[in-house]
Amino acid sequence: EDQVTQSPEALRLQEGESSSLNCSYTVSGLRGLFWYRQDPGKGPEFLFTLYSAGEEKEKERLKATLTKKESFLHITAPKPEDSATYLCAFRGGSYIPTFGRGTSLIVHP
Amino acid sequence: NAGVTQTPKFQVLKTGQSMTLQCAQDMNHNSMYWYRQDPGMGLRLIYYSASEGTTDKGEVPNGYNVSRLNKREFSLRLESAAPSQTSVYFCASSEETANTIYFGEGSWLTVV
Repeated sequence: EDQVTQSPEALRLQEGESSSLNCSYTVSGLRGLFWYRQDPGKGPEFLFTLYSAGEEKEKERLKATLTKKESFLHITAPKPEDSATYLCAFRGGSYIPTFGRGTSLIVHP
Repeated sequence: NAGVTQTPKFQVLKTGQSMTLQCAQDMNHNSMYWYRQDPGMGLRLIYYSASEGTTDKGEVPNGYNVSRLNKREFSLRLESAAPSQTSVYFCASSEETANTIYFGEGSWLTVV
């Protein structure tokens, strides 16, 4: 059974304090890794798609990386507006993504 | 830039009542999905439609039915609502099942 685990469940940072979120998976035949940002009361907003180990993508203060067993979302010098829940999802052989439970990030000014 | 539009945004139902959640996308996507999101459970797939004319069960289909009305629209029906169906429901779409999924803004459903 495909499983996705995100850690930590919650993370509090001071503004400017860089950190990383982890997403590990057990999926047969990886066909994509997705990162989403979700603000309270809103739908998930697409951030990145990664397809192969070693691939990296960046957007402003966020950088996503992928290995054979996990993905990291690195947040460099975060700002309060980066506060949100970050979701990852892996797509395996079934083509339907399996989502993790998310990491709730709070960045204090 | 409407993307994926869901209605209604909020709904309160009594146990046993029925209702339909509507979803439409304007991105000419072939695949559409219905997810529910509960605290501590993450996003769980209810049903999906890989293309117009097809629908398939996801992880948690019991108590729900879907209709892919045309390429743009995919509705979710609760025939006899139960308190366990209190949740936030998200419709989503993708160009194909192998592509990135884009979500709507959600529908908050409370069953009392």
